[in-house]
Amino acid sequence: DVVLTQTPPTLSATIGQSVSISCRSSQSLLHSNGNTYLNWLLQRPGQPPQLLIYLVSRLESGVPNRFSGSGSGTDFTLKISGVEAEDLGVYYCVQSTHAPWTFGGGTKLELK
Amino acid sequence: QVQLEESGPGLMQPSETLSLTCTVSGFSLTSNGVGWVRQPLGKGLVWMGTIWAGGSTNYNSAVQSRLSISRDTSKSQVFLKMNSLQPEDTGTYYCARLKTAPDYWGQGVMVTVSS
Repeated sequence: DVVLTQTPPTLSATIGQSVSISCRSSQSLLHSNGNTYLNWLLQRPGQPPQLLIYLVSRLESGVPNRFSGSGSGTDFTLKISGVEAEDLGVYYCVQSTHAPWTFGGGTKLELK
Repeated sequence: QVQLEESGPGLMQPSETLSLTCTVSGFSLTSNGVGWVRQPLGKGLVWMGTIWAGGSTNYNSAVQSRLSISRDTSKSQVFLKMNSLQPEDTGTYYCARLKTAPDYWGQGVMVTVSS
């Protein structure tokens, strides 16, 4: 199974600060169809996860544009340009290129 | 609108077989895959397995010998069955609709395995 390694495990930020989370894959996530199925989720406390970004950089409907994704192959980044209070929670990358799908270990974003 | 709702017993004994149901609405199981995800208390997400629109399945290699996912398209339900339960199977179980990514999630059902 594909292993996704997220760093850092914990991130402390002030409101308005920009932060980045890294997700590194044990193998390329480039599918034979040319798409790269690397996605980002946010799980707020006591809530199920919600989809933020799919296909590396495409924003899910309703997600603020302060969120952005980038990367290719095995290295990917989620950036939040100006953290807001509602952004606190745990962020997960999840790959859907290779079966079975797998998650990163999570990055907890908390207030400094 | 798209909704998923998990249901099942909250408390199980070790060695028993867990049966969970995911009832969906707002989309068709013959056009979308559904996956099951487990989250131990206070820990991260673990992909358990998937049933695709065509009916084929994929499982996490760590549990595939104990896990079975099936569906009843006429009832818009997806089922998870896992045997030989152990305390480490305790956690919240989510089902999610799968497009290119898991885009809709149920609220989850908490399962505790304890004697």
